[in-house]
Amino acid sequence: KQEVTQIPAALSVPEGENLVLNCSFTDSAIYNLQWFRQDPGKGLTSLLLIQSSQREQTSGRLNASLDKSSGRSTLYIAASQPGDSATYLCAVRQDTDKLIFGTGTRLQVFP
Amino acid sequence: EPEVTQTPSHQVTQMGQEVILRCVPISNHLYFYWYRQILGQKVEFLVSFYNNEISEKSEIFDDQFSVERPDGSNFTLKIRSTKLEDSAMYFCASSERGNSYNEQFFGPGTRLTVL
Repeated sequence: KQEVTQIPAALSVPEGENLVLNCSFTDSAIYNLQWFRQDPGKGLTSLLLIQSSQREQTSGRLNASLDKSSGRSTLYIAASQPGDSATYLCAVRQDTDKLIFGTGTRLQVFP
Repeated sequence: EPEVTQTPSHQVTQMGQEVILRCVPISNHLYFYWYRQILGQKVEFLVSFYNNEISEKSEIFDDQFSVERPDGSNFTLKIRSTKLEDSAMYFCASSERGNSYNEQFFGPGTRLTVL
């Protein structure tokens, strides 16, 4: 059974720092991996989708990498800003429709 | 930019009552999903829907739950007799395709409180 874990559970950094969020999954047979942002009490905003054949995807200050064989993905946020404060979720898709979500990393960026 | 919308944003109901949560997926999307998130827990898959049929459902999606696409734009989740443990945030999502390239887009959620 696929298990998705995110470390750290919470992170607090000063503005301007580059940071890395980690996502690990136990079964490497995935089709894709999606990173989301969730603001308190709000919905999920899709940030990046990485196909199983890809190594990384970039969008603005965000870069996500995927190492399928080792069951890991990282989300790199460059030059963090207070507006980046949110919970970041990763989710994997296997050979069915559903996304299997991780536990999330709660990020706080302070001025 | 097209987005998934959900109504109501917050629903309070008494245990045993029926509730219907509504969603309007992105207009050219063909695959629809419901997920839920109990406070402090992971987001969990409930059901996926394509071509007017359930394509996959989780163990959570028992006989108390049903989904429907009553017209060309709405997608609904019905809980027949709510329980206290149904209290959660319910998210609707949609995707253009159902293959490995599909990106799922989520709505803002409906917070369901069962008293």
